[in-house]
Formats: sequence, structure tokens, C-alpha cells
Amino acid sequence: KAGVTQTPRYLIKTRGQQVTLSCSPISGHRSVSWYQQTPGQGLQFLFEYFSETQRNKGNFPGRFSGRQFSNSRSEMNVSTLELGDSALYLCASSPGLAQVADTQYFGPGTRLTVL
Amino acid sequence: AQSVTQPDIHITVSEGASLELRCNYSYGATPYLFWYVQSPGQGLQLLLKYFSGDTLVQGIKGFEAEFKRSQSSFNLRKPSVHWSDAAEYFCAGDSNAGGTSYGKLTFGQGTILTVHP
Repeated sequence: KAGVTQTPRYLIKTRGQQVTLSCSPISGHRSVSWYQQTPGQGLQFLFEYFSETQRNKGNFPGRFSGRQFSNSRSEMNVSTLELGDSALYLCASSPGLAQVADTQYFGPGTRLTVL
Repeated sequence: AQSVTQPDIHITVSEGASLELRCNYSYGATPYLFWYVQSPGQGLQLLLKYFSGDTLVQGIKGFEAEFKRSQSSFNLRKPSVHWSDAAEYFCAGDSNAGGTSYGKLTFGQGTILTVHP
């Protein structure tokens, strides 16, 4: 099976712009989670989608949003970019079985740099 | 609050030496626990996981981890380290509570492993 893919791998934006990142999960996986990784804050959970519905959300401002499509692919959007949004954004997919902890498999990440 | 702690930010070992990376957790109930490894600029690769049952779990690349409920620990071990093991290692937990835990792993701060020849 192909692994989790993320596009683009690298992005450079300027403050105030918006950005959309894409994630394609492992075939058959219905849950996609997003994380932000920075040197100062480490790995922080952004949100999780399952069957096109957001089931869980971390403690991030409303500028961070996401969605999931019927084929389980997911996108996350960051509006009005700030310098502090520079980070590695990781997505992870899992089967998404309810009430059972799934194993999350991670993509290579998208490195976002905000200038 | 649920948390995962990795007390060691940086560990240096010689190639061929044994390795133990520490991980402590704080959860209301027994969480599901994971160890991931990250090479520079890359995503996270799953090394092993603990859901229930045998408290000694085997993973890939010769790694193992032992779940100790009495110590709230899930330490990662390897008997003989190879230079290619140099990377950052993350311990993570999932509360298995459904609801607000869906899809959410809580990560430790990571331990950077340096391997000397």
C-alpha cells in the first residue's frame, strides 16, 4: 500500500497570505489527523476528520481550518498567515474505527515558511 | 491533564552500546502508547505500540519497549545501537476515551539521539 502523501512538500508565503495543504491518506483509511510541529512547541494536534466530519479539534485559532472529501483526502487551510505559523505540518491517517485507538501513520510533512 | 513526558532532551551513545529512552505518561486510565522516530526533515515512522496484553512489546529495527503501570512508564530500549539509529524519538499517548480523544495523539517533547562511532 502506498503511504500517506502530502503536497506540497515545501511552501514559502508572506504574512497575511493564506495557504492550503493537502493530504492523501493510506487507501482504506477514513481518519485524517493534522499536527503542527515547531521547535518551541513540539508536536501539537490541530484537528481530526472522519467521513468528512470534524470529530476533534485542538487549541488553535480559527485561522486554522480543514476539510475532508468523500475519498478521505483532506486539506487544511491557514488564513492571514503569521510568522509564528512557520512549521512542519504533518498529517496522519488511520482506519478510524470508533471507540478504538487506531495506529496513526504519518506523511512526510509540508514545511511552511512565512516571511 | 493528560500528558506524556520525555525527561531526556538529548542522549549520546557509542555505536554498539545499549540504549534506553525514557517516557512517562499521565492519564486517568491506561492509555495506548506509541514510539515514533523522525529523521531530519521527515515525517514520523512508527516503531512500536502498546494497546494491552504483554507489557513487553517488540518493534521494528530491533527496538522494544516495556510498559510499567506502577511507574507510569513506557521506556524504549535497544541492545546495540547502530549509527543509522541517530534521529529524534517521540513517545505518544492516546487516551482511548473516544469523544475528545478522537485522532489525537499527545506527544512528548522528543529525545534527540546522537550516535558516536
